[in-house]
Amino acid sequence: DVKVTQSSRYLVKRTGEKVFLECVQDMDHENMFWYRQDPGLGLRLIYFSYDVKMKEKGDIPEGYSVSREKKERFSLILESASTNQTSMYLCASSSGTGFEQYFGPGTRLTVT
Amino acid sequence: SQKIEQNSEALNIQEGKTATLTCNYTNYSPAYLQWYRQDPGRGPVFLLLIRENEKEKRKERLKVTFDTTLKQSLFHITASQPADSATYLCALDMIYNQGGKLIFGQGTELSVKP
Repeated sequence: DVKVTQSSRYLVKRTGEKVFLECVQDMDHENMFWYRQDPGLGLRLIYFSYDVKMKEKGDIPEGYSVSREKKERFSLILESASTNQTSMYLCASSSGTGFEQYFGPGTRLTVT
Repeated sequence: SQKIEQNSEALNIQEGKTATLTCNYTNYSPAYLQWYRQDPGRGPVFLLLIRENEKEKRKERLKVTFDTTLKQSLFHITASQPADSATYLCALDMIYNQGGKLIFGQGTELSVKP
């Protein structure tokens, strides 16, 4: 059974803290993605990666960075968390365009 | 400007009826279009993919149509059941650089009443 796992289901952090969200996939997929999902705004792409050490900005990259040192792992980093980064964060992976994306269970991050 | 729009209102239907969800887009040229189901508090789950040169795709009780002239996809669930209640997302599958990315609509919430 294919799987995308995320490091935490729920996370509470304080403003200004550095936050790491980790995502691991076991399907040997080339492409990995980070989204955030907010009520009324839908799923928005933050960053994606189509190969190890490669990254591309999505629609809302400001305030975020990513790291992909190994094919199976894609990390999202909030350098200095702010309250407007309170959201549901979803990781996904796929074989490429024309193939479905497999999503993790999500991390609900609250920044206070 | 580029836009992707789904039924903004929640859709309430009676069990056994056919649910029809709409996805319209402007100023995009997707190679494919995908539909996902999302339950509260969980990640989206892939349902169907249709290519730009396909008019229709079926999978069990699900049917998707794709009209690139109208820039519209319709998603049908026949003989709907309360278990079909969820939010349904359409996504444009865009070839980008050496990979691809999805542009999601905001989703339509479907409620099937017994």
